[in-house]
Amino acid sequence: GAVVSQHPSWVICKSGTSVKIECRSLDFQATTMFWYRQFPKQSLMLMATSNEGSKATYEQGVEKDKFLINHASLTLSTLTVTSAHPEDSSFYICSASSGGIQETQYFGPGTRLLVL
Amino acid sequence: AQSVTQPDIHITVSEGASLELRCNYSYGATPYLFWYVQSPGQGLQLLLKYFSGDTLVQGIKGFEAEFKRSQSSFNLRKPSVHWSDAAEYFCAVGTASKLTFGTGTRLQVTL
Repeated sequence: GAVVSQHPSWVICKSGTSVKIECRSLDFQATTMFWYRQFPKQSLMLMATSNEGSKATYEQGVEKDKFLINHASLTLSTLTVTSAHPEDSSFYICSASSGGIQETQYFGPGTRLLVL
Repeated sequence: AQSVTQPDIHITVSEGASLELRCNYSYGATPYLFWYVQSPGQGLQLLLKYFSGDTLVQGIKGFEAEFKRSQSSFNLRKPSVHWSDAAEYFCAVGTASKLTFGTGTRLQVTL
């Protein structure tokens, strides 16, 4: 149980285009989803937290107009990188939790984005 | 503010040898502690977690961790390492609504 998927696993795009990444909880309802960014050989940096049906809460320094997050259902959240630039190239990982202080975050396999 | 320190950036052990990965935390209340493992190019897999109760926690793949409040530590151990254990290991503190990760320890296993 507690499986989280991400799609696509790899994406290459041209500078200036927008890219959408999907995160799905396959066997549980995720009241909260998280988006992380990971640079090579570094730890995970939380970008934003989203609750189903609410606006996402962004961490300090993360541009909310650049990284659009939608959590329209209890099993799906999307991250759209708008007008992507080479510096946005990174590994993006989502996680999902069914809520409750003692619940666990379950992570997706990640999406590697390369902006040319 | 909560924080996690993993003092060892890189550890190399021989297959069959024992392993201990260190994790120290700073947290204002009773900590919820986690260990995750990440294989190259993959997401994170939960190895084990501590919320309360027995301070020795058993996880998957033969891993265990011990919570020591007096030392603010939550070290990960495995009695006999397998080559497939080579990966990046992350310690984390917090709750389901906010996790803070350490910088990770890369484990290399020699045959």
